[in-house]
Amino acid sequence: AQKITQTQPGMFVQEKEAVTLDCTYDTSDPSYGLFWYKQPSSGEMIFLIYQGSYDQQNATEGRYSLNFQKARKSANLVISASQLGDSAMYFCAMRVYDYKLSFGAGTTVTVRA
Amino acid sequence: DAGVIQSPRHEVTEMGQEVTLRCKPISGHDYLFWYRQTMMRGLELLIYFNNNVPIDDSGMPEDRFSAKMPNASFSTLKIQPSEPRDSAVYFCASSTGGGKPYEQYFGPGTRLTVT
Repeated sequence: AQKITQTQPGMFVQEKEAVTLDCTYDTSDPSYGLFWYKQPSSGEMIFLIYQGSYDQQNATEGRYSLNFQKARKSANLVISASQLGDSAMYFCAMRVYDYKLSFGAGTTVTVRA
Repeated sequence: DAGVIQSPRHEVTEMGQEVTLRCKPISGHDYLFWYRQTMMRGLELLIYFNNNVPIDDSGMPEDRFSAKMPNASFSTLKIQPSEPRDSAVYFCASSTGGGKPYEQYFGPGTRLTVT
């Protein structure tokens, strides 16, 4: 069975600083994909970034980067230059051979001005 | 382009009543997913379809829940009879089967309250 662990229930970050959200995963399948989604207070789920297990380079999308450490089974999200609009819940998710996503419990990020 | 459309956005009903949630996926997407989000259980997949055919319904909590996809542009999730513990936000998501990264696009969700 696949499992996603996010150990940080909540974090505070100062505006313009970087923040790292932890995510570890567990799977025996060699082929998998890792995702990060953002859920603001309005409730919608917004896709941020994707990393495939065979991708050689860490994924980046604008201010988002994924620090993928395969041997440690971690896929941490780094948000650079935090903005007030980054305040939200962030979910790490994994997909293996099928199309199902398994989600972690989420981390709430609050950006302070 | 229109995203995934869900209706209603909010539903309040009494225990024992039938509830039907509706979803219109993004045109051209051949995968459709129903998720439920609660404080206790987080986000969990209920069922997903490929080309209108249910592929995995192992997340459906019990026989009171049923889902259909009569065509490529419409799906329903029905709860009959509803119970207070069904109160949650229900998300529909869709994706394509090919290409990278099989990203799932989520709808705005339906907030269901069963009293």
